[in-house]
Amino acid sequence: GDSVTQTEGQVALSEEDFLTIHCNYSASGYPALFWYVQYPGEGPQFLFRASRDKEKGSSRGFEATYDKGTTSFHLRKASVQESDSAVYYCALGEGNAGAKLTFGGGTRLTVRP
Amino acid sequence: EAAVTQSPRSKVAVTGGKVTLSCHQTNNHDYMYWYRQDTGHGLRLIHYSYVADSTEKGDIPDGYKASRPSQENFSLILELASLSQTAVYFCASRDIYEQYFGPGTRLTVL
Repeated sequence: GDSVTQTEGQVALSEEDFLTIHCNYSASGYPALFWYVQYPGEGPQFLFRASRDKEKGSSRGFEATYDKGTTSFHLRKASVQESDSAVYYCALGEGNAGAKLTFGGGTRLTVRP
Repeated sequence: EAAVTQSPRSKVAVTGGKVTLSCHQTNNHDYMYWYRQDTGHGLRLIHYSYVADSTEKGDIPDGYKASRPSQENFSLILELASLSQTAVYFCASRDIYEQYFGPGTRLTVL
C-alpha cells in the first residue's frame, strides 16, 4: 500500500537556522501531498499541499516542492523561530482530491532561542 | 470559525469495557475521520465517512466501529476495549483539500 517516510524523528535547531525535513513517499498512483503541523496539546493543522509534479506549496515561510522523480516533498524554511517548535507531518492523499490521507511518522522540531 | 469538538477530552476505561468517543463539527463538511496517534506511528486512519448513515474502513479498523447518524456527528465505538487501544484519538472534518482536526481525546485502557 501507499506509505510516507520521514527520515528525521527529531530535529533540534537554533533560531535563524535553515530547516529541512525530508519526506519520501511510495504510491501506485499520482497522489496529492500535504504538510501538517501539530503544536503541543492541539490537533494537527493544515500547512499546505501540492498535487502535481514540480508544484510548490508554501505557507508561513515554509515551502516544499513536489518531485515525482525522486518521490519527495521535503519541507524547508530559511530561518526558523522558537515559535516553529512543533511536530510536522508529511502526508499523501488518495481518492477524491486526496480525501484519504496516509501520514508519515512525524518529525519533532525544537528551536532554541 | 470552523470547529470540530470532541468529547470526552480524556477517559480511563477498563479492559473489556465499551467506550464511545464523540465528535461534532459545525463546518457543514461531508467528510469526517477518526485517527489514532501513537508515538512513532504518527496518525493512522481508523474509519471515515463521506455521508450520513454511511462509514468506511480506514487503514486500522479492527477493534473499532464507527457511526455517522448525522452530518454533524461521528462516533467511534470500542465494543471491547483492550490495552493496545490506549492512544490519543483525533476526529477531523474536511472541506475541498484541508482537514480540520479536533483537540483530541486521550484514552487510557487499564
